[in-house]
Amino acid sequence: AQTVTQSQPEMSVQEAETVTLSCTYDTSESDYYLFWYKQPPSRQMILVIRQEAYKQQNATENRFSVNFQKAAKSFSLKISDSQLGDAAMYFCAYRSGGSQGNLIFGKGTKLSVKP
Amino acid sequence: EPEVTQTPSHQVTQMGQEVILRCVPISNHLYFYWYRQILGQKVEFLVSFYNNEISEKSEIFDDQFSVERPDGSNFTLKIRSTKLEDSAMYFCASSSQVGGGGELFFGEGSRLTVL
Repeated sequence: AQTVTQSQPEMSVQEAETVTLSCTYDTSESDYYLFWYKQPPSRQMILVIRQEAYKQQNATENRFSVNFQKAAKSFSLKISDSQLGDAAMYFCAYRSGGSQGNLIFGKGTKLSVKP
Repeated sequence: EPEVTQTPSHQVTQMGQEVILRCVPISNHLYFYWYRQILGQKVEFLVSFYNNEISEKSEIFDDQFSVERPDGSNFTLKIRSTKLEDSAMYFCASSSQVGGGGELFFGEGSRLTVL
């Protein structure tokens, strides 16, 4: 069975600095997708970034980028120029290519941003 | 911007009672999901639903649970006879595209407390 592990329950970053959130996963599948979701306090989860396993190039969305190391099964999220609005719970998630919706989540990392 | 909405935001019930959690997915989405998060644990997949039938479900989704789309707009999760261990945050999600890479749009969640 696939698993997703986020080893950092909490992280803190100074405003305008860069922070990296870690995520590792375990799978024997070759076709899968990886996601980072953000959940601000009392708000819904929103998609930050996604990565297709077959793509070697790391996904980037504005200040958010990933470091996808397929052989190491690692999928870290880098947030550059951190802003106060980045403070949230961040969830790493995995989904099989053939799945009808079964996202497998990590436990999450709570990110605080200090002004 | 379209959102997934969930009601109630918080429900307290007695063990053994039936509970219905309601969700209004984004209007042009065709795929619907329920997830849950027990306090301190990971977000877990319960069920996915498409074309008026369950397309995938987890081991958690036993005979106590059911889903339906009664009127073309609402998507409901029913728990027939609640147990203490059903206490959790329940998240509804929808997507316009099936398959591994599709983005899920989540609601803010319904907190269920079983006494």
